[in-house]
Amino acid sequence: EVQLVESGGGLVQPGRSLRLSCAASGFTFDDYAMHWVRQAPGKGLEWVSGITWNGGSVGYADSVKGRFTISRDNDKKSLFLQMDSLRPDDTALYFCVVGDYYVGWGQGTLVSVSS
Amino acid sequence: EIVMTQSPATLSVSPGERATLSCRASQSVNTYLAWYQQKPGQAPRLLIYGASTRATGVPARFSGSGSGTDFTLTISSLQSEDFASYYCQQYDTWPPGVSFGQGTRLEIK
Repeated sequence: EVQLVESGGGLVQPGRSLRLSCAASGFTFDDYAMHWVRQAPGKGLEWVSGITWNGGSVGYADSVKGRFTISRDNDKKSLFLQMDSLRPDDTALYFCVVGDYYVGWGQGTLVSVSS
Repeated sequence: EIVMTQSPATLSVSPGERATLSCRASQSVNTYLAWYQQKPGQAPRLLIYGASTRATGVPARFSGSGSGTDFTLTISSLQSEDFASYYCQQYDTWPPGVSFGQGTRLEIK
């Protein structure tokens, strides 16, 4: 069974940084692309960033390009999202997801950006 | 960037009736289209991928169709547990990007 456990969220002031982590189990981690998807309170789903199985290709939504950096450690079966220059509109529940279409979802980690 | 547009934003249907949800892409995504169901307080759940293939454990009353730019999710006979929000997602352009529709909220009439 796919298990994804996100961590690293919290309350942070605008302009500061956070690093999200996702610990994966129950599947062959280095066979799959991994992504981050977020959901602002009361809003829909927004793709944030993705990384191919070997890290050879990454992508970002325009809203986070230049501020967020995705990475992975296949040995540790972990996914990361470094979030810099955070803004209030980055406030959301951040989900770690697996695959090109998302067969597995974590429960999310909440990021709140406010002064 | 491919823009995904779902309609309607809210759909009111009675239990036992059929629900039809639409998703349109701003350019062709072939059949690289997935549907998700999300209930309040829960993570989304994959229902359909490849435009028409049901994910493991998804009841047969859920079906997907379409290709290119126009897609449909049909729920043949609504059960109480089906009232939720539904999102389409294209993954034709991955890498480097994917995109979601804004969602359809399915409510009890």
